[in-house]
Amino acid sequence: DVKVTQSSRYLVKRTGEKVFLECVQDMDHENMFWYRQDPGLGLRLIYFSYDVKMKEKGDIPEGYSVSREKKERFSLILESASTNQTSMYLCASSYIQGHQPQHFGDGTRLSIL
Amino acid sequence: AQTVTQSQPEMSVQEAETVTLSCTYDTSESDYYLFWYKQPPSRQMILVIRQEAYKQQNATENRFSVNFQKAAKSFSLKISDSQLGDAAMYFCAYRSVNGNQFYFGTGTSLTVIP
Repeated sequence: DVKVTQSSRYLVKRTGEKVFLECVQDMDHENMFWYRQDPGLGLRLIYFSYDVKMKEKGDIPEGYSVSREKKERFSLILESASTNQTSMYLCASSYIQGHQPQHFGDGTRLSIL
Repeated sequence: AQTVTQSQPEMSVQEAETVTLSCTYDTSESDYYLFWYKQPPSRQMILVIRQEAYKQQNATENRFSVNFQKAAKSFSLKISDSQLGDAAMYFCAYRSVNGNQFYFGTGTSLTVIP
């Protein structure tokens, strides 16, 4: 069965900290994605990656960076966390073919104090 | 970029009744894929149903079916015989044939009334 695993369900950090969110998929998917989900705004794409060491900015990349050193792992980094980055973060992955859906992790609820 | 619009932030339905969730999208492409995802409270987002734009026949998965109107760029989800477990946030999504990115609507929160 398809599995996308996010390292934490809940995380509390302080303003100014460097925060790492990890995501691992076991389906050999080429594509991986990071979204943030806020009430009334739906899912907003932060970054995605279509191959190892490749990345593309999404709609809201400011304040974030990503790393994909291995095909199965995609990390989201908050360089200097701020309170407006308090949110639910969803990782997803998919095959490269257009008809293939995304598979999602359970999400990480991140609070920045 | 393509845009996906879900105009109903919240919907409710009586158990065992039928409900339709609306989704419209904007694209200049002729071929693409459309998806409905379900996100139960505090649980993982899962695929409900998908539709290929080149197929005229509407997709069906058990109690879930879509009404795909390509010319109108409309992709609504019909849930028949609603169950308490159908209560969730539902997202409509678009993907190009040759694209990696998915475009999501803002979601519709469905409440099922016992």
